[in-house]
Amino acid sequence: DAGVIQSPRHEVTEMGQEVTLRCKPISGHDYLFWYRQTMMRGLELLIYFNNNVPIDDSGMPEDRFSAKMPNASFSTLKIQPSEPRDSAVYFCASVPPDTDTQYFGPGTRLTVL
Amino acid sequence: DAKTTQPPSMDCAEGRAANLPCNHSTISGNEYVYWYRQIHSQGPQYIIHGLKNNETNEMASLIITEDRKSSTLILPHATLRDTAVYYCIHGKMKTSYDKVIFGPGTSLSVIP
Repeated sequence: DAGVIQSPRHEVTEMGQEVTLRCKPISGHDYLFWYRQTMMRGLELLIYFNNNVPIDDSGMPEDRFSAKMPNASFSTLKIQPSEPRDSAVYFCASVPPDTDTQYFGPGTRLTVL
Repeated sequence: DAKTTQPPSMDCAEGRAANLPCNHSTISGNEYVYWYRQIHSQGPQYIIHGLKNNETNEMASLIITEDRKSSTLILPHATLRDTAVYYCIHGKMKTSYDKVIFGPGTSLSVIP
């Protein structure tokens, strides 16, 4: 299995631009998570889905952030407009139906100038 | 929220056992304890989990106290590749992942 796939691995953009991060969960997994990690705040849960339906988005910082999961094999996290304080590593993780074990992707390192 | 307490950092000599403690005094009866680690620049990686019995797998052993308020992750023969940040978490998981908190963890340095 290829594991959780995230793209791009690195993204550098300018303030005000739209950024879209992508995630392909492990096939058969029914939960998908988006996390953000910074030195100051550590690993924070932004939003998670169950069977493509958003369950909790209380961690999404503000309306500039949005996430979608149009099908079981794809999710996006969009930031519009981006700001320098959004610079972080964004991780996607998925969970299979029979456990609570989260399988994390390699992350996307976002730098907003 | 399901908070845990871990020492911020630890050192361990290569080849020796690394014992990483975690306090989870707010754990409830049906919550599992999970351990993950994060090697620099990588995503967190699952290590082991348990409910109340001690557990062992190919990576580590997990010792949970009888009152379940604390646990210890044991890496029996630490190698340089075990240098990472180790996270202990607990929660009701699929009913409320939003209450599960990854704290700062323990930064383990394995020294040659």
